[in-house]
Parts: sequence; structure tokens; C-alpha cells
Amino acid sequence: EVKLLESGGGLVQPGGSLRLSCAASGFTFTDFYMSWIRQPPGKAPEWLGVIRNKANGYTTEYNPSVKGRFTISRDNTQNILYLQMNTLRAKDTAIYYCARSKTTEGPGYFDYWGQGVMVTVSS
Amino acid sequence: DIQMTQSPASLSASLGETVTIECLASEDIYDILAWYQQKPGKSPQLLIYDASSLHTGVPSRFSGSGSGTQYSLKINSLQPEDFASYYCQNGLSAPLTFGSGTKLEIK
Repeated sequence: EVKLLESGGGLVQPGGSLRLSCAASGFTFTDFYMSWIRQPPGKAPEWLGVIRNKANGYTTEYNPSVKGRFTISRDNTQNILYLQMNTLRAKDTAIYYCARSKTTEGPGYFDYWGQGVMVTVSS
Repeated sequence: DIQMTQSPASLSASLGETVTIECLASEDIYDILAWYQQKPGKSPQLLIYDASSLHTGVPSRFSGSGSGTQYSLKINSLQPEDFASYYCQNGLSAPLTFGSGTKLEIK
């Protein structure tokens, strides 16, 4: 059974940093593209970025809205996906999800999502 | 970026009715489009991919259609568990983008 479990959320002051983790199980982690997606309360999801699979060199691509502040990485020995968030702003307040791409050929669609973790940026 | 314009923003319908939700892309996305269902407090769930392919385990009362820039999600014979929010998503090119959502409520 595929499982994705996020952790690391919480309250952070503006300008601060936070690292989210997503523990993956039930599938061959290195075969899949993995993304982070966030959703402000009551709003639509926003794709933040992707880290590609082993076949594509684990390269990353980001939404311009967070490029330079957010970094996606993965530990392929422990099957963990990370999101490092720096210089956080109030507008970054949202539920953050990790998600697996449906195919092994591109980010495309997301067939499994974690339960989400809340990040609140406030003083 | 490819903009996804979804309509209506909200929809009220009765059990057993058929409803349609529309999604307009700002450019041709060559059927690389997905639909998700989200219930309160839960993560989105994939319903449809490649504009018209039903994801595993999704009931056949859900169907997707469209091409080019115009796509739609149709739900036949509404069931109680279908009252939720629905989002379309561009899967063609980064940044991957979502529509603003449609909240389907019971009349």
C-alpha cells in the first residue's frame, strides 16, 4: 500500500525557515517523480516543484513563485522527500502536501497525496 | 504559465441529478488534464487523467471530455459522497497549475 506521511509543519515567524519531510512507503521510491503542493485554507492547490526520478538524475524544477526560497531534495536510502523553505512570508501559510506522480515519465498528474501538514507564518 | 479557468465556482444540485463542471486552459494542453475531488479536511484524490481516462477505483458515473483548451467533468446520478470540491489541473508543462475549484453542494 502506497503511503506518504508529511511532518515538520508548525508556526514560524516571518523571515524564518522550516524543513518539511515526507516519508514514503509501499512503492519503489527512486522510480517516481515527487512533488510538493500547497493549499491555502479555502483556496486551490498550488504546485511548488518536483524532483525527478533516478532515470532522470533526480533533477529539480520549481514554480517561479517559490524559486530561490524553496528547495526540494530526497534521501533515496530512507525514502524521504524534503522541502526546505526559507525567508517565509505570511502568504506561505498553507497546508503542504507531498504527492507522487502517476507515471515514471514526468510530473503530469498526482495519484497519491499525503495527508498534509499545516504551516503558519505569523509573528 | 498556463492559466486554468474553472466554472462554475459553486454548484447546487440534488441527489440523482447530472452535473457538468468546465475548465478552460489559456492555451492548448493537448488533453494533458486531470480532475481531482477533495472533501473537507482531506487531500485531493485523482479522478480523471489525460482528460478522459478514469483513474483506478473511480466510479463510472464520473467522466471527462474535451480537447484543446476546453474540458469538462460530468457526474451522472449524483450520490451523497460526490458532494465535494473539484479541481482541474494542467499536466502538460511546468509550472503545473490548478483551476480555482468548484464546490458542489446538496440542494
